[in-house]
Amino acid sequence: NAGVMQNPRHLVRRRGQEARLRCSPMKGHSHVYWYRQLPEEGLKFMVYLQKENIIDESGMPKERFSAEFPKEGPSILRIQQVVRGDSAAYFCASSPPGGGHPYGYTFGSGTRLTVV
Amino acid sequence: RKEVEQDPGPFNVPEGATVAFNCTYSNSASQSFFWYRQDCRKEPKLLMSVYSSGNEDGRFTAQLNRASQYISLLIRDSKLSDSATYLCVVNTNAGKSTFGDGTTLTVKP
Repeated sequence: NAGVMQNPRHLVRRRGQEARLRCSPMKGHSHVYWYRQLPEEGLKFMVYLQKENIIDESGMPKERFSAEFPKEGPSILRIQQVVRGDSAAYFCASSPPGGGHPYGYTFGSGTRLTVV
Repeated sequence: RKEVEQDPGPFNVPEGATVAFNCTYSNSASQSFFWYRQDCRKEPKLLMSVYSSGNEDGRFTAQLNRASQYISLLIRDSKLSDSATYLCVVNTNAGKSTFGDGTTLTVKP
C-alpha cells in the first residue's frame, strides 16, 4: 500500500545542468500536482496533471520548466539549465478522480534540489 | 491580495494551552477546505477537512464561515508534539488546491 513515491530524495546539480524529478501517485489516484517550497516560504502550486494531460500549469515558470504525466510511468518535472534560485523542495501530491475536492491530497516526501 | 492568508505567527504556548488559528480566503467559489500539518520541512499531511457545520477530531476543532470567508482551527490541551506549521488549504472544484503560507506553533514544556 505504497503512498506517493518521489525520487530522488536529494538531488544536487551544477548550474546549467538539467534536473529530472519523478513522482508515482498512490494506487488508484489519477491526478498529480507539483508544488515548490523555497527555503523559509510556503508551498506554491506549479502544475496539475492527469494522465497525458496538463490541466493547469498556471504556476509553472514560463521558461526552463516542464511537466508530464505519461500513460505509463511516473510524472516527471523537468528543469532545464538550473540556476541557484531553483534550489528548493519540490513536493508531488496525488488525489483520486475529482481532484483535491473533496478529499484533499496525499503528498510524497519531496525532492530537495540543491544547485551549486 | 493572496488567495489564502494566514497569520504566520509564531505562536509560542505552554503545554496544556488552547490555541486558535484563523485563515481567510478570497475566492467565494471555493468548495473544499482543509488544515494540513507540516513538520520540519517534511511533506504536508492532511490534518482534517473543514465543514460548514464545524467538525471535531479529538483535541482539534475546525470551523468554516462561508459568509465571512474564513476558516479556523482550535487546538485544546496542546502537546509538545503539536509543534509544527499548520497550513490552511482551499480548493475549488477545478481541482487545484491553494495553500496558505502557514502558521508556526511551538508548544513549550
